Amino acid sequence: AQKITQTQPGMFVQEKEAVTLDCTYDTSDPSYGLFWYKQPSSGEMIFLIYQGSYDQQNATEGRYSLNFQKARKSANLVISASQLGDSAMYFCAMREGLTGANSKLTFGKGITLSVRP
Amino acid sequence: ETGVTQTPRHLVMGMTNKKSLKCEQHLGHNAMYWYKQSAKKPLELMFVYSLEERVENNSVPSRFSPECPNSSHLFLHLHTLQPEDSALYLCASSPSASYLTGELFFGEGSRLTVL
Repeated sequence: AQKITQTQPGMFVQEKEAVTLDCTYDTSDPSYGLFWYKQPSSGEMIFLIYQGSYDQQNATEGRYSLNFQKARKSANLVISASQLGDSAMYFCAMREGLTGANSKLTFGKGITLSVRP
Repeated sequence: ETGVTQTPRHLVMGMTNKKSLKCEQHLGHNAMYWYKQSAKKPLELMFVYSLEERVENNSVPSRFSPECPNSSHLFLHLHTLQPEDSALYLCASSPSASYLTGELFFGEGSRLTVL
């Protein structure tokens, strides 16, 4: 079974509007972390935002916020006030387990976001 | 300038060639990683090094051979590759391999094409 599922094939959003990118995850470990990365055409993976499984509040980082619904095992990324530079691939990722072990970062397949002027 | 630098950015090689990918991190991190990114597939973790010791090898074929001479440098030696090995190879680093909340810092990748 996939640990990270990103099913949206490609998303389009008008500049200055908000967009939600979906991510669901699967784990039986009570301790885990969820990450979102952006990959522009240059190839570099850029860290955007992190949510811990025990965090009480949804993470926010500038125009990025994470809609964390633990019971549904979803961690959707919300980008507000989209900019042309937001056009990229977006990856959801999860790291399971406590410190002390070599915990892996598992990625989803990614979602392509295109921002229209 | 990114904290993780990969060279070469693009590489074309035949199936009988031997080449190497290089990664250097300037962040003072103790863990380094190789990931493979193929089209329409999730990133695949290949190798993890922690304090220059290999701590993870994800069933990667022996035609890929990693080397970590120190905590700042990581190599991926390639020999007798197959066309299906064509992909973007991403190097990453993190303060520690066992740091649950820490993100990975990635390089821009080396785009490999095997003819």
